[in-house]
Amino acid sequence: AQSVAQPEDQVNVAEGNPLTVKCTYSVSGNPYLFWYVQYPNRGLQFLLKYITGDNLVKGSYGFEAEFNKSQTSFHLKKPSALVSDSALYFCAVRKKPGSQGNLIFGKGTKLSVKP
Amino acid sequence: DGGITQSPKYLFRKEGQNVTLSCEQNLNHDAMYWYRQDPGQGLRLIYYSQIVNDFQKGDIAEGYSVSREKKESFPLTVTSAQKNPTAFYLCASRREVDEKLFFGSGTQLSVL
Repeated sequence: AQSVAQPEDQVNVAEGNPLTVKCTYSVSGNPYLFWYVQYPNRGLQFLLKYITGDNLVKGSYGFEAEFNKSQTSFHLKKPSALVSDSALYFCAVRKKPGSQGNLIFGKGTKLSVKP
Repeated sequence: DGGITQSPKYLFRKEGQNVTLSCEQNLNHDAMYWYRQDPGQGLRLIYYSQIVNDFQKGDIAEGYSVSREKKESFPLTVTSAQKNPTAFYLCASRREVDEKLFFGSGTQLSVL
């Protein structure tokens, strides 16, 4: 079975400190991995993706993520958190080829950045 | 949100009633999706469509129906068979060249 796990329901960080939001996955073959962000009462917005190539992926708003094949992880990181980064973050993995592009989403991690 | 328009923003359903959620896109994307979001459960796929006049069931299709008569439109009907319809519903389209999903702002459905 293919799945994605976000082990933390909530992450609390002080403004200016580095942040990490964790994601692990289980998928047969090579995964396509994504991070999306959701602000209150809004749809999701794309942050970044890993499909192939460099394991460190840079995305929108200063976020980056590192693909680690041996640990089957794709953690989201930012060197210095902003209060405006407070939102709900979703990790997603694409099913194996032939799945018509359908994504499996994690349950989400609420990020709270305090001043 | 990126050319996807969902309406209404809030919707109330009476028992035994069918309701339809609208989703329109002007991005010229072939693939469109409907997701249901419940607190603490992430997004679950209801239905998806890869092309006009074709659609497939997702993981939780029971109690829902869709149509795809036009490329721009992918309405979702929540039928009376869906016994627990209260949720936030999200429509999305996929840009094939880079696999990105573009989401609408969502519809909050509640039961009266």
